[in-house]
Amino acid sequence: AQSVSQHNHHVILSEAASLELGCNYSYGGTVNLFWYVQYPGQHLQLLLKYFSGDPLVKGIKGFEAEFIKSKFSFNLRKPSVQWSDTAEYFCAVKSYNTDKLIFGTGTRLQVFP
Amino acid sequence: DAGVIQSPRHEVTEMGQEVTLRCKPISGHDYLFWYRQTMMRGLELLIYFNNNVPIDDSGMPEDRFSAKMPNASFSTLKIQPSEPRDSAVYFCASRTAGETQYFGPGTRLLVL
Repeated sequence: AQSVSQHNHHVILSEAASLELGCNYSYGGTVNLFWYVQYPGQHLQLLLKYFSGDPLVKGIKGFEAEFIKSKFSFNLRKPSVQWSDTAEYFCAVKSYNTDKLIFGTGTRLQVFP
Repeated sequence: DAGVIQSPRHEVTEMGQEVTLRCKPISGHDYLFWYRQTMMRGLELLIYFNNNVPIDDSGMPEDRFSAKMPNASFSTLKIQPSEPRDSAVYFCASRTAGETQYFGPGTRLLVL
């Protein structure tokens, strides 16, 4: 069965620190990849997505992610985090032979001023 | 576009009562998904529809849960009878084929 792994369950950073959140998936075929963010008490919002083309994808609020097909990875990065980035981050994968998004378990990010 | 609309935003009910959650997908979207989010189990897909037809309901916990989509602009998720373990945030999401999935604001359900 397809799966998505987010190995960092809880990350604590100070403002201005760099961020990298890991995401690995198990499906070997063509995939669409997503990162969603959920701010406290809110719904999931799209941060960025990869469908095809340049494997380095830029999203909102200074986030970017790199698709490395050989490693089945889609890690999220931000060079300098802010207190307002405190949220939960979900990686999600959709393969071409299914309608469903497979979500990772999420990474809770806490940024302290 | 107003995005995915869900109602109510908050629901508090007593065990044994019927609960109905409502969702209006983004206009033109032909896929609709119902999710449940809890601290213990994270984000779970309950059921999804394509062109108003239920495609996969394998995530529905048990017979107490049912979902309908009578038309392209409305879906309901019903719990009857409700139990305290059903307390969660229920999200609805929609998309078109091959495109990004958008989530609604969620319904926060508390069953006492």
